[in-house]
Amino acid sequence: SQELEQSPQSLIVQEGKNLTINCTSSKTLYGLYWYKQKYGEGLIFLMMLQKGGEEKSHEKITAKLDEKKQQSSLHITASQPSHAGIYLCGAVSGGFKTIFGAGTRLFVKA
Amino acid sequence: NAGVTQTPKFQVLKTGQSMTLQCAQDMNHNSMYWYRQDPGMGLRLIYYSASEGTTDKGEVPNGYNVSRLNKREFSLRLESAAPSQTSVYFCASSEGGGNQPQHFGDGTRLSIL
Repeated sequence: SQELEQSPQSLIVQEGKNLTINCTSSKTLYGLYWYKQKYGEGLIFLMMLQKGGEEKSHEKITAKLDEKKQQSSLHITASQPSHAGIYLCGAVSGGFKTIFGAGTRLFVKA
Repeated sequence: NAGVTQTPKFQVLKTGQSMTLQCAQDMNHNSMYWYRQDPGMGLRLIYYSASEGTTDKGEVPNGYNVSRLNKREFSLRLESAAPSQTSVYFCASSEGGGNQPQHFGDGTRLSIL
């Protein structure tokens, strides 16, 4: 079965700093989602990547799917307190099933 | 815009009690899902409904039942709650499967004593 590993598990950054979160799959990725979860709330869809080398941006958040389609990175430029939360990657795992990584907890110090 | 609405938001049960979690979406989506989220384990799919009238097991279906009442509503039932079912439960919906992003409710926090 496919597994997604996210790193780091948690991250504390100073406001204004850049950061990167990684999501590595045990199998080829045919669709990779990034979601953000505010503490105590549901998941908010950020973006989806499907093609190797594809890169998408949403405000100051950029995500890329590597050429071999087994890893995705999410990069935040000039972090702000509003970026704090849990970032989860999810992968299409056949039909209607999506598997998720355990999440990366981001804290931004003002 | 309501999106996906889950009720209740919080619930405490005793072992052996039954409970139905409700979920409704107003986006005219075909597919709906139930997940549980546990610390360090991410989201795990319990059941899903690809379209009205169909339901299928996900990764962790044991101890749960579901009903796709109509296109809008998808309920999750615990017939005899166990402490291992203490979790945060999320309902989600999507236009279809595969490469369609899912939209999530705010979750139901369930504790079983």
